[in-house]
Amino acid sequence: GAVVSQHPSRVICKSGTSVKIECRSLDFQATTMFWYRQFPKKSLMLMATSNEGSKATYEQGVEKDKFLINHASLTLSTLTVTSAHPEDSSFYICSARDGTTGGEKLFFGSGTQLSVL
Amino acid sequence: GQSLEQPSEVTAVEGAIVQINCTYQTSGFYGLSWYQQHDGGAPTFLSYNALDGLEETGRFSSFLSRSDSYGYLLLQELQMKDSASYFCAVKGSARQLTFGSGTQLTVLP
Repeated sequence: GAVVSQHPSRVICKSGTSVKIECRSLDFQATTMFWYRQFPKKSLMLMATSNEGSKATYEQGVEKDKFLINHASLTLSTLTVTSAHPEDSSFYICSARDGTTGGEKLFFGSGTQLSVL
Repeated sequence: GQSLEQPSEVTAVEGAIVQINCTYQTSGFYGLSWYQQHDGGAPTFLSYNALDGLEETGRFSSFLSRSDSYGYLLLQELQMKDSASYFCAVKGSARQLTFGSGTQLTVLP
């Protein structure tokens, strides 16, 4: 089946620094990717929809300037957490749909645990 | 807006059958999905129902009643490895998935 690769799996950074998370579709092209945030024992909250070659669509309450999304190719989307603060510490997960064969199935990356000190 | 409700926790023993319910309120409805997530891992797709009725895939089955805005995931012959969180998710008018808060299933020996 389709595979979505997400890196890094874990990152620890100092407050005020920026962190980039990569999400790649390994064996299919993804014109759209989704970025979620998940707190322990909680639901996946959609942050934004990443569209290849155009601007991302952000959900209400998500700061565009803080969570920068770039989807420059059909297999790569990046999420940059700018000027990270401790409250940004969370589990970030990306997902994509294989429009050719996957139907309604979303394929998820393995997630990135971000800890901001 | 969209909202989904599912139980926060369910406990069952190995070999048993468990049903996880999900009720939803959405603006527009295209389908109901179920995902499994083990601690620290990625969610994995289990099923998708767009029409009323029961879909069976091995030990797992999923049911949908659109008129009742209700669905459930049925897990049979429970195994220890089934201990995980299970999320229902609705595809609404925005064509995006909105996830429920998840049900933590604990399978006891």
